[in-house]
Parts: sequence; C-alpha cells; structure tokens
Amino acid sequence: NAGVTQTPKFRILKIGQSMTLQCTQDMNHNYMYWYRQDPGMGLKLIYYSVGAGITDKGEVPNGYNVSRSTTEDFPLRLELAAPSQTSVYFCASSYSRGLVTSTDTQYFGPGTRLTVL
Amino acid sequence: ELKVEQNPLFLSMQEGKNYTIYCNYSTTSDRLYWYRQDPGKSLESLFVLLSNGAVKQEGRLMASLDTKARLSTLHITAAVHDLSATYFCAVDTETSGSRLTFGEGTQLTVNP
Repeated sequence: NAGVTQTPKFRILKIGQSMTLQCTQDMNHNYMYWYRQDPGMGLKLIYYSVGAGITDKGEVPNGYNVSRSTTEDFPLRLELAAPSQTSVYFCASSYSRGLVTSTDTQYFGPGTRLTVL
Repeated sequence: ELKVEQNPLFLSMQEGKNYTIYCNYSTTSDRLYWYRQDPGKSLESLFVLLSNGAVKQEGRLMASLDTKARLSTLHITAAVHDLSATYFCAVDTETSGSRLTFGEGTQLTVNP
C-alpha cells in the first residue's frame, strides 16, 4: 500500500492565484482530513470528511474548499491565494471512529509546502 | 474550546539522560495521541492512549495518561541522538468526531 499520497510536494503561488492540492489514500479509510502547519506550530484542521459526499469545516476553513466524490480522493482547493496561506499542508486519513476501545490512529501524507508571494 | 498545551516547547538534553514531556488538555478526552515529526517530514504515530489510564512503551519512550488530571506524559529514558525530533500530543473527544486538536509540539534535541 502507498498509504496517503499528496501532490505536489512544493508549490509557489502568486497572490490571487488558485490551485488544488491533491490527496489520495489506498487504505479504504472513511475519514479524511486536511491540516495546515505553520512554522514552529502544531497542526490546525482545515476541513474533514467522514465519507464520500460528506465534508465539514474544521478550525481554519476560510479561503479553502474541499470535495469528496470518492472514498480515495480528498482534494483541497485554494481560491485567491494570500500570503497568510503560506504553510505546509498535510492530508490524513483514518478508519471510522469505531469502538471506544479502538486504538486506530490517523495516517499522514508527506505534505505539500506552499509559498504565496 | 478544547486547548492542548505542551511543555516544554524546546528541550535540549544530553545522551543518556532522562526527561519528561508534558501534555495538558482542557476538557474530558476519549483518546490521546503522540506523534513524532522529523524536520521536513510528515507525522509518525507513536502511541494511542485510551481514557482508561493506559501506559504504553516503545523502546526508550513511555507514554501515560491521567484522565483525572487531564495530563499525558511522554518519558524519555537514556536518550540517544536518534530521538531528536518534534513530538506532538493530540486530543480527540467524542464530540469532535475524530477531529484532533494538536499541541504546539516539543522540539527535542539530544546532544552527544
């Protein structure tokens, strides 16, 4: 299994441009997540999805959009890029939350480093 | 709003020494996670601790959870250089629906 894959690895955008960050997982996980990590900080949740066709906002959704048309893919769309969106973006996936005794964890992709100039 | 605080944020220690990283959280939690991140890399899962006060150990790392104190610790025994990384704790509550709230991370440097 490849696990969680993300493309591109690096990208530089100009202010006002748009782009889509791709995320694919091959573990048949229901839950998928997008986080951003600013330098020296922890991760903050942007959007998440509990299954195909279902998405919801996380802690910092402004300036982003997502869709989930298949179990495997969860793209993140940036519209009108701003310098404040310079960050490293991580996609993650997990099984459904399941039993309270489950020790399942989230599996993270390698990240996309985005710079907006 | 759930808050997760780690301390220290920066830790420089010598090889062979012991130390503990602390993770406090502000509300009742069902699960607590510890992750490791090497510079420029992704996050790797270390431990998942459930609300029954679990203790888990892997090599020189041991994690514990005190649900009454809302505190988790990550204890490092006889540190080696390979443990140098940033360690994050994250909390998941049933009301958050598997969404994790992360601490700021503890950047650990182990010096020879």
